[in-house]
Amino acid sequence: EVQLVESGGGLIQPGGSLRLSCGVSGLSVSNNFMSWVRQAPGKGLEWVSVIYSGGSTHYADSVKGRFTISRDTSKNTLYLQMNSLRAEDTAVYYCARDKFQSPYYYGMDVWGQGTTVTVSS
Amino acid sequence: EIVLTQSPATLSLSPGERATLSCRASQSVSSFLAWYQHKPGQSPRLLIHDASNRATGIPARFSGSGSGTDFTLTISSLEPEDFAVYYCQQRAGWPPWTFGQGTKVEIK
Repeated sequence: EVQLVESGGGLIQPGGSLRLSCGVSGLSVSNNFMSWVRQAPGKGLEWVSVIYSGGSTHYADSVKGRFTISRDTSKNTLYLQMNSLRAEDTAVYYCARDKFQSPYYYGMDVWGQGTTVTVSS
Repeated sequence: EIVLTQSPATLSLSPGERATLSCRASQSVSSFLAWYQHKPGQSPRLLIHDASNRATGIPARFSGSGSGTDFTLTISSLEPEDFAVYYCQQRAGWPPWTFGQGTKVEIK
């Protein structure tokens, strides 16, 4: 069974840092595209970042320069390092497998349960 | 950045009725479009990928159509568990990927 489990969320002051983890079982983080998606309170889904199987990374403009996506293949775990946090980063953060096999896009087909980040003083 | 615009924002329907949700892209995304269902307190659920292909385990009452800039998600006969928020999402070209703002399907 494929399973993604996020952790690391919590209450953090503006300007602070937090690292989210996404433990993965049933698939390899090194062989898949993995994304982070967030949902702020009362808002819709927002794509945050992706790491390709080859290791290249991309970010939404709203987090570029502040967030870093990475993976540890030995632990089969995905990370999101969040620095210089702002109130508008308050959200539930989900990790997801982003399945793309050219020329077909199979969607974000496996999701974690989400972890909540609250940025407030 | 490709902007996805969903309409309507809210759809008020009764169980058994047909739901038609629209998603329009600001530029062509070919068929690199997916639809998700999202309920409060749950993770999003993939319904449709590649614009018109049902994901594994998705009931046949869900169907997707379109290509280029105009896409439609149809629920042929609403079941009680289908009342939720639905998002389209594109993955064309280079990131950023984007989601539409969502359509809430609520019980009339």
